[in-house]
Amino acid sequence: QSVLTQPPSVSAAPGQKVTVSCSGSSSSIGKNFVSWYQQFPGTAPKLLIFDTNKRPSGIPDRFSASKSGASATLGITGLQTGDEADYYCGTWDSSLDSWVFGGGTKLTVL
Amino acid sequence: QVQLQESGPGLVKPSQTLSLTCTVSGGSINSGDYSWSWIRQSPGKGLEWIACVQYSGTIYYNPSLKSRTIISVDTSKRRFSLKLTSVTAADTAVYYCARYSMFYYHAMDVWGQGTTVTVSS
Repeated sequence: QSVLTQPPSVSAAPGQKVTVSCSGSSSSIGKNFVSWYQQFPGTAPKLLIFDTNKRPSGIPDRFSASKSGASATLGITGLQTGDEADYYCGTWDSSLDSWVFGGGTKLTVL
Repeated sequence: QVQLQESGPGLVKPSQTLSLTCTVSGGSINSGDYSWSWIRQSPGKGLEWIACVQYSGTIYYNPSLKSRTIISVDTSKRRFSLKLTSVTAADTAVYYCARYSMFYYHAMDVWGQGTTVTVSS
């Protein structure tokens, strides 16, 4: 059972928009930066979003993220079949003094 | 460009100690800008953070694994290591090492490719 709660799966059609939620606490998301990771089967996770809403170089602006209180959201617009992957949120939990991940969300582009 | 490479036995017997090493190339492990983490992923499951270490020796552990985990850094050999004691089948996973950018990204920006560890007799 993960400290951060994500929906197990989301789906949408190509070209559409989808959002992935990540719910935490006042000591985790509420207090610290959130990052998001994209993972394709059999490969290592890749940093997708840092500092809650910033994209590393090379990540298209179709990917965006935000935070409100103890929850964060990843948004993907103009969905492509190549976006099918697992997405994880992560942050530091100041009460646990530990990094925590969400359980992951599998994105299906129908 | 910094690269991380995990190494260690792919098979460990139950009750024994799992030992892995992550070698850092293309960059410095001595930088105070980063900490160095281990993360694992059990088959079909999500990511689980295990521990991190800074070159200064500061260490943080996942509370649920703390009693069985030792993480260390060897700056002379540009590597950091993980030991997980008293393993069971539940410790079977892909183990990743990653760099945590403490002052810029506040995130794990570089990952190793992962190494599969199976706990079985």
